[in-house]
Amino acid sequence: SQELEQSPQSLIVQEGKNLTINCTSSKTLYGLYWYKQKYGEGLIFLMMLQKGGEEKSHEKITAKLDEKKQQSSLHITASQPSHAGIYLCGADGSGSEKLVFGKGTKLTVNP
Amino acid sequence: GAGVSQSPSNKVTEKGKDVELRCDPISGHTALYWYRQSLGQGLEFLIYFQGNSAPDKSGLPSDRFSAERTGGSVSTLTIQRTQQEDSAVYLCASSSYYNGYTFGSGTRLTVV
Repeated sequence: SQELEQSPQSLIVQEGKNLTINCTSSKTLYGLYWYKQKYGEGLIFLMMLQKGGEEKSHEKITAKLDEKKQQSSLHITASQPSHAGIYLCGADGSGSEKLVFGKGTKLTVNP
Repeated sequence: GAGVSQSPSNKVTEKGKDVELRCDPISGHTALYWYRQSLGQGLEFLIYFQGNSAPDKSGLPSDRFSAERTGGSVSTLTIQRTQQEDSAVYLCASSSYYNGYTFGSGTRLTVV
């Protein structure tokens, strides 16, 4: 199954700053998923990437999947306190493999 | 329903007791997953059901843990003889090929 490594493990930024979170896979990714989790809550789906070189944006969050489909990045522009939480990348294999997650990146945005 | 429903939302149990956690997936979703998240940790895969195939139980931490999925819909995760290290949030997710994965809000289990 996939093994996913996220970096950094935690990140503290000042409001208004840009930031990037990375997710690297041990295998070629079939589907790469980004989720956000706030303390004590469930996972909120952000974006799904499937094609090499794909890039998707929603509001101030952009996710990219590299051409080799082994690395994804999540970029937040002009961060706000509402962006704070734990960001998790998940991936499944060739359609029938289970969805596994990285250990998460804890983001703190100071006003 | 519109989303994945988990019950109870919170469960406090005494060490040694058995507990059952329920997951009601999105109608029509063929795949169902259980994960465990301990405080400050990532999501630990427990078990995966896909259609009528045999479940992938490779993540279950011990034989005290079991899960079933009746009629391809509702799933129950059972933990027997609970231990304090079982305290965690248990998350369920369902998916279909075209619609990605949707998570429930989880069950917070506390073993005292």
